[in-house]
Amino acid sequence: GENVEQHPSTLSVQEGDSAVIKCTYSDSASNYFPWYKQELGKRPQLIIDIRSNVGEKKDQRIAVTLNKTAKHFSLHITETQPEDSAVYFCAASEHTGTASKLTFGTGTRLQVTL
Amino acid sequence: DAGVTQSPTHLIKTRGQQVTLRCSPKSGHDTVSWYQQALGQGPQFIFQYYEEEERQRGNFPDRFSGHQFPNYSSELNVNALLLGDSALYLCASSEPLAVGDTQYFGPGTRLTVL
Repeated sequence: GENVEQHPSTLSVQEGDSAVIKCTYSDSASNYFPWYKQELGKRPQLIIDIRSNVGEKKDQRIAVTLNKTAKHFSLHITETQPEDSAVYFCAASEHTGTASKLTFGTGTRLQVTL
Repeated sequence: DAGVTQSPTHLIKTRGQQVTLRCSPKSGHDTVSWYQQALGQGPQFIFQYYEEEERQRGNFPDRFSGHQFPNYSSELNVNALLLGDSALYLCASSEPLAVGDTQYFGPGTRLTVL
């Protein structure tokens, strides 16, 4: 089955700096890669996603890149703010049209300091 | 438009007991997936329901079972509870699988097994 590895496990940046979180996946059939942000005690919230037919996607300060050949994808957050502090999870799935199972990474705890 | 809802919010059970958790999907969504999130870890896929059938299952024992109703809501049942079943149980809903696979999470049910 699919295996997703995520690094780093913790990341501390100063406000205004950029943060990068990297994930690798094992199943070449995976074609959908979402990123979720989870604040303490809250539900995971989708912040951005990318499909295998696209190499990069951007939404304001957040961007995701995908390298299908190397089987890795990354989350980039620019101009970080204190409210970006949370745990971020990457995930991968193979959407077949009849089933879709998300396999998550182990999470990155991002702390944005003033 | 209500998002994904889950009940109850918290639950305390003792070993050997049985528990039922409930989920109502986001309006327009017909697919429901269940995940278990242990403390400090990423969500782990339990199973997915579509058209009232279990479509895909993760690596969980038969003690974990589910059901989907005609109105697309779903239940997760866990029998013979173990201490290790203590976790946050998340429900996620998505559009018809033929359309897309973006999953939106509910707030979760925190299960504590004593």
